[in-house]
Amino acid sequence: KQEVTQIPAALSVPEGENLVLNCSFTDSAIYNLQWFRQDPGKGLTSLLLIQSSQREQTSGRLNASLDKSSGRSTLYIAASQPGDSATYLCAVPSSNTGKLIFGQGTTLQVKP
Amino acid sequence: DAGVTQSPTHLIKTRGQHVTLRCSPISGHKSVSWYQQVLGQGPQFIFQYYEKEERGRGNFPDRFSARQFPNYSSELNVNALLLGDSALYLCASSLTDSEQYFGPGTRLTVT
Repeated sequence: KQEVTQIPAALSVPEGENLVLNCSFTDSAIYNLQWFRQDPGKGLTSLLLIQSSQREQTSGRLNASLDKSSGRSTLYIAASQPGDSATYLCAVPSSNTGKLIFGQGTTLQVKP
Repeated sequence: DAGVTQSPTHLIKTRGQHVTLRCSPISGHKSVSWYQQVLGQGPQFIFQYYEKEERGRGNFPDRFSARQFPNYSSELNVNALLLGDSALYLCASSLTDSEQYFGPGTRLTVT
């Protein structure tokens, strides 16, 4: 059974700092991994999708990496800004359906 | 293009009542999935529909049901509401098993 874990549950950093969010999964037989952002009480915004054949994806100040063999993904945020404050979730599809299995998220606070 | 839309935005119901939540996928997307997110946790999968057929069901009681219409919009129905059903209900659409796009969610409060 696939399980997804995100550590830490919460993170507070000063503005301008580079930071890394972690995601681990127990079953390495995934075909992609998706990172989302969620503002309080809102829906999920897709940030990056990494296919199993890729090792990383970049979008602006965000860079996501994927290491299937070790069951890990990281989301790197460069030069953090207060507007980056949100909960970040990673998710992987189950092996035979499109069902997404989510981690519990990391709540990021960037202080001005 | 419009993203995934959901209605209503907020809903307050009493224990024992029934609720219907609605979702319209992105144009051209034939797959719709429903998730429940309680405060402080990641979303939990409830249902997936593709081409009007149920393709997957999560670990939820039979009080939860859903359907997909010919225009690919979807409804999630919950009967005999319990306090524990209070959550943010999210709908996502996708082309197939590709990247999923989420709507803004419906906040359901059961009192």
